[in-house]
Amino acid sequence: DAGITQSPRHKVTETGTPVTLRCHQTENHRYMYWYRQDPGHGLRLIHYSYGVKDTDKGEVSDGYSVSRSKTEDFLLTLESATSSQTSVYFCAISDQRLAGANEQFFGPGTRLTVL
Amino acid sequence: GNSVTQMEGPVTLSEEAFLTINCTYTATGYPSLFWYVQYPGEGLQLLLKATKADDKGSNKGFEATYRKETTSFHLEKGSVQVSDSAVYFCALVASYDKVIFGPGTSLSVIP
Repeated sequence: DAGITQSPRHKVTETGTPVTLRCHQTENHRYMYWYRQDPGHGLRLIHYSYGVKDTDKGEVSDGYSVSRSKTEDFLLTLESATSSQTSVYFCAISDQRLAGANEQFFGPGTRLTVL
Repeated sequence: GNSVTQMEGPVTLSEEAFLTINCTYTATGYPSLFWYVQYPGEGLQLLLKATKADDKGSNKGFEATYRKETTSFHLEKGSVQVSDSAVYFCALVASYDKVIFGPGTSLSVIP
């Protein structure tokens, strides 16, 4: 198994509070991704990173920010959580660009509930 | 834009039954196509992939053929097992760094 951990694994928070989710990898892979998984939508890309301090937006980035100060860590922050951000969040990594059918490896997920 | 459509299920089959999960896509250019599987409580894992027309991806008894003429990548298995119970996602990559996932198909296999 690829060495990817996510923390916390479960979190319940209240509307308006800030939340930070952490993804940690031991594979030294260059690319890291944050997705959210919702019924009927599959996985949707929030943000991704192609190197330390290099990040870009995905299709559902509003209300989220990310940071990557070290190769191994990719943080996802909800500045002011809303109920619509209740979801399961997955981190993924890859060692090459995805074009060319390179594989992504996924973490175990974080279940976030915003009350 | 790029998109993936698949039957959402849930699909319930008896052990040793034949499985087909349909997947069709819309994309510009020549995307790579994937099937990922998610077992209960886990993240996604790559099941198989195909990079060009008429390629067949296969793994663990599952197969899918890249059909450009019908823009499809249907997943098949000849004899499912209880351990195949999972959610299956069809996906494509049509540009550098973005994977487009279908909504997922939940499969339950009963003994």
